[in-house]
Amino acid sequence: DIQMTQSPSSLSASVGDRVTITCRASQGISNYLAWYQQKPGKVPKLLIYAASTLQSGVPSRFSGSGSGTDFTLTISSLQPEDVATYYCQKYNSAPLVTFGPGTKVDIK
Amino acid sequence: EVQLVESGGGLVQPGRSLRLSCAASGFTFDDYAMHWVRQAPGKGLEWVSGISWNSGSIGYADSVKGRFTISRDNAKNSLYLQMNSLRAEDTALYYCAKAALKLRPLSYFDYWGQGTLVTVSS
Repeated sequence: DIQMTQSPSSLSASVGDRVTITCRASQGISNYLAWYQQKPGKVPKLLIYAASTLQSGVPSRFSGSGSGTDFTLTISSLQPEDVATYYCQKYNSAPLVTFGPGTKVDIK
Repeated sequence: EVQLVESGGGLVQPGRSLRLSCAASGFTFDDYAMHWVRQAPGKGLEWVSGISWNSGSIGYADSVKGRFTISRDNAKNSLYLQMNSLRAEDTALYYCAKAALKLRPLSYFDYWGQGTLVTVSS
């Protein structure tokens, strides 16, 4: 089974900072990688799919990159409303999917 | 507007069974794969099970294989999860999630329900 890891597990940054979260797959998954944002007490929200395609309505400060085994989610300028836990998800083996363990983002 | 409404959660004793339902509306249900995802209190997201649009392809997480059964009734726009031999570690908020891509086996999720809470405890 392909395992997903994320780093860091948590981070604290200042408003306006550039934030980067890494997701790694234990085997290549092409670009079958999505990112979700889950704010406290809320339902997960799709941010990015196909590793780098921004979901409609998501602010352009969010971006994704990568292919194969290494992926990144970048927030170009952290805003207070971005406080959340971010999960990567691989979906290259239907109907099985796997989520990463999550990265919790706080404001310093 | 896409809506996914889960029901059927509750408090159940270890070893007992529970059936979750997800009522879907606002889209052509039988064009999309559907999934169950759970989240234990204070923990991350765990995919539980998925089913293709025509029930031809079904998958389970290792943690529930042999105990849980996913099914769907396209005539009723409904998704189900039959959970048997429940354990304390099955305690979680169970979400129903819709695949984003129509009639495609490989897809991320674009809509989630609000979840139904399952608590397994004596």
